[in-house]
Amino acid sequence: GENVEQHPSTLSVQEGDSAVIKCTYSDSASNYFPWYKQELGKGPQLIIDIRSNVGEKKDQRIAVTLNKTAKHFSLHITETQPEDSAVYFCAAPWAGGGADGLTFGKGTHLIIQP
Amino acid sequence: DADVTQTPRNRITKTGKRIMLECSQTKGHDRMYWYRQDPGLGLRLIYYSFDVKDINKGEISDGYSVSRQAQAKFSLSLESAIPNQTALYFCATGVKGKETQYFGPGTRLLVL
Repeated sequence: GENVEQHPSTLSVQEGDSAVIKCTYSDSASNYFPWYKQELGKGPQLIIDIRSNVGEKKDQRIAVTLNKTAKHFSLHITETQPEDSAVYFCAAPWAGGGADGLTFGKGTHLIIQP
Repeated sequence: DADVTQTPRNRITKTGKRIMLECSQTKGHDRMYWYRQDPGLGLRLIYYSFDVKDINKGEISDGYSVSRQAQAKFSLSLESAIPNQTALYFCATGVKGKETQYFGPGTRLLVL
């Protein structure tokens, strides 16, 4: 099955600065890479995803990049705001396609300092 | 997401007891999933179901069973709870042909 490694486990940045979270995966056949945000007391919520036929995808202040050769993908958040404070998880398909379920990284606790 | 509900939200039980966690959705999605979250370990897939008659084991299915009573309902059972099953359990839904999953609010389970 797929193995996803995520780092750092904790990231503290000043409000307005950028934050980058990185993940690596093991299965070269994986083709779908989502990022989820989990706020305290809530379930994870998808914020952005990327497929293996695309190298980068942006949505306002959030972007994801994918390097298939190196098998790693990253989440970039620019102009961070207090509401960005949360735990972020990267994921990849557990087996076969993503619809079969996901394997998650261990999460990154992002702290936005005022 | 209010469209995916989980009951109970919190549960304390004793070792050896049978317990059922329930998940209901009003999204009309055909796919449903159960995950377990432990501190520092992310989420791990327990079971997933593509429809009422199609149920599949995930990464960590040992010690768990599931029932898809209807398209909208997917229950997770612990036949004989043990302390290392103490965790936060999430139900999720998805649409055929799309990978996006929609998570419920979670059930916090403590096994004494």
